[in-house]
Amino acid sequence: DAGITQSPRHKVTETGTPVTLRCHQTENHRYMYWYRQDPGHGLRLIHYSYGVKDTDKGEVSDGYSVSRSKTEDFLLTLESATSSQTSVYFCASRDLNTDTQYFGPGTRLTVL
Amino acid sequence: KNEVEQSPQNLTAQEGEFITINCSYSVGISALHWLQQHPGGGIVSLFMLSSGKKKHGRLIATINIQEKHSSLHITASHPRDSAVYICAVSNTGNQFYFGTGTSLTVIP
Repeated sequence: DAGITQSPRHKVTETGTPVTLRCHQTENHRYMYWYRQDPGHGLRLIHYSYGVKDTDKGEVSDGYSVSRSKTEDFLLTLESATSSQTSVYFCASRDLNTDTQYFGPGTRLTVL
Repeated sequence: KNEVEQSPQNLTAQEGEFITINCSYSVGISALHWLQQHPGGGIVSLFMLSSGKKKHGRLIATINIQEKHSSLHITASHPRDSAVYICAVSNTGNQFYFGTGTSLTVIP
């Protein structure tokens, strides 16, 4: 399995505060993704990156920004957290040779 | 409108039963993926398919490109197979679309 980690694993925060989630991979994969998972929905793409400093929006990008300054790190920032952003967030990296995504363990975020 | 639809949403089986989970998709794809998510959340990739059939142990995945349909079969099911199984498709636009998952419970 690709080495992909997320931090923090759990976070409780208050409405209006900024939050940054970190994803770190050790496989030198060019593509990385941030998803959120909510009951009744499949995984939904927030943002993805196709290289250092190259990012693009997904279907649920409003209220989120990302940055990728190094191949191994992909940061997701909630500029001003809202209760609707309470969710489980998954990061993934993609092996283009096998077209396989490797997922991090997830971050459970609660916005009060 | 969901690009990927799975059925059933929930499935309970007795240990040893043959299980089938279905996936239909409505978009052009480069590949179809089956993922497994265990209680506690970790997601792992089981199969990547662009045509035909793949087998790994007791798991078999098939795809019919013309009908835009895939099936995941589990033979001789076991309680440790209890998990959520997710179908996803990838396209040349570098994005993935996911079904909502099938929650499988195998009873001893």
